Amino acid sequence: EDQVTQSPEALRLQEGESSSLNCSYTVSGLRGLFWYRQDPGKGPEFLFTLYSAGEEKEKERLKATLTKKESFLHITAPKPEDSATYLCAVPLGPGSARQLTFGSGTQLTVLP
Amino acid sequence: DAGITQSPRYKITETGRQVTLMCHQTWSHSYMFWYRQDLGHGLRLIYYSAAADITDKGEVPDGYVVSRSKTENFPLTLESATRSQTSVYFCASSAGTEQYFGPGTRLTVT
Repeated sequence: EDQVTQSPEALRLQEGESSSLNCSYTVSGLRGLFWYRQDPGKGPEFLFTLYSAGEEKEKERLKATLTKKESFLHITAPKPEDSATYLCAVPLGPGSARQLTFGSGTQLTVLP
Repeated sequence: DAGITQSPRYKITETGRQVTLMCHQTWSHSYMFWYRQDLGHGLRLIYYSAAADITDKGEVPDGYVVSRSKTENFPLTLESATRSQTSVYFCASSAGTEQYFGPGTRLTVT
């Protein structure tokens, strides 16, 4: 069954302590993998799109990478303002590539 | 203001009532989407629209109705609200593959 799974569910880091979030997927013929950031009480905010294994995208302290089975969101020297829930999403099933299935997210807390 | 807006931001209604959630975007994006977000289920697609007068079901469409007479508006109607429809509802729009989300509507059905 096609699905998308994120781990860990929650992660607490000290400021400056680098780490990675995981998004694993099972789908034949990946049509894009999307990362979003969601702050409490707000809508998700688009971060990255990845299409091919080996592809990498960077934005400030965040770097997203993609393999054939999973994607990682690497956070380098995080700051408290990086605290948020990070969501990944992929198009699953035979429908439109815009029909995204979201993972349950990783809630990141960065302590000062 | 430019962007995507939702109204109301908070709504409490009773079981069996009809309620409409509004979504408006100023980007002229062709695609619009409605999601619900619940603890334990994450974000799930309810309906989406590729253009005015074109709509299609997502993962959880039962109990919801949508319409899109104008490109910029995409209202979501709960014809007879049930407690299981208590949730946070997000509207999104896109021109390409990235979707841009509104601030959400928190709906409570009592």
